[in-house]
Amino acid sequence: AQSVSQHNHHVILSEAASLELGCNYSYGGTVNLFWYVQYPGQHLQLLLKYFSGDPLVKGIKGFEAEFIKSKFSFNLRKPSVQWSDTAEYFCAVNAENTNAGKSTFGDGTTLTVKP
Amino acid sequence: DTGVSQDPRHKITKRGQNVTFRCDPISEHNRLYWYRQTLGQGPEFLTYFQNEAQLEKSRLLSDRFSAERPKGSFSTLEIQRTEQGDSAMYLCASSRRTGTEIYFGEGSWLTVV
Repeated sequence: AQSVSQHNHHVILSEAASLELGCNYSYGGTVNLFWYVQYPGQHLQLLLKYFSGDPLVKGIKGFEAEFIKSKFSFNLRKPSVQWSDTAEYFCAVNAENTNAGKSTFGDGTTLTVKP
Repeated sequence: DTGVSQDPRHKITKRGQNVTFRCDPISEHNRLYWYRQTLGQGPEFLTYFQNEAQLEKSRLLSDRFSAERPKGSFSTLEIQRTEQGDSAMYLCASSRRTGTEIYFGEGSWLTVV
């Protein structure tokens, strides 16, 4: 079974600061990796995903994530955050060739961006 | 908006009562998923359907929980004899059979008092 650890429960940044949210997973095989975002009052939506190929993945709204296999990590980054990035961010993993809907989620990181 | 819709959005019920939640997926999606999310935790997979067939159930889905998708369109999740520990957000999501992206609804909050 997989597990996901998100180290930061709550991150507070000022606008224009750089962001990095940590995500580590535990699984012995090949994985697919996801970051989801939930803006206040909205549903969870996919930010970016990694299945194979270039380990640096670019998503929507200027976010990117880097898969480092040796570290079992998939950290989310953004060079300059905006107030509108205030949201909860979830990292998720599933085993290769399994249903994307059966992902294991981390407990989330709440990001607050101060204007 | 033709996204995933869930009803009701909030439900308060007394312990021991039965509750039912409904999910309408995106119309062309044949896979439908249910998750549970408690405060401070991420979503936990409960079960999923491909068309009308329930293909997998998590160990989290006790005997008091039942899900159906009778015509391969909308789905219902029923919780019988609710307990305080059932208080959570119940999320529904859908995808195409070969899709790598799932689309979530806004969830149904359950409070058992």
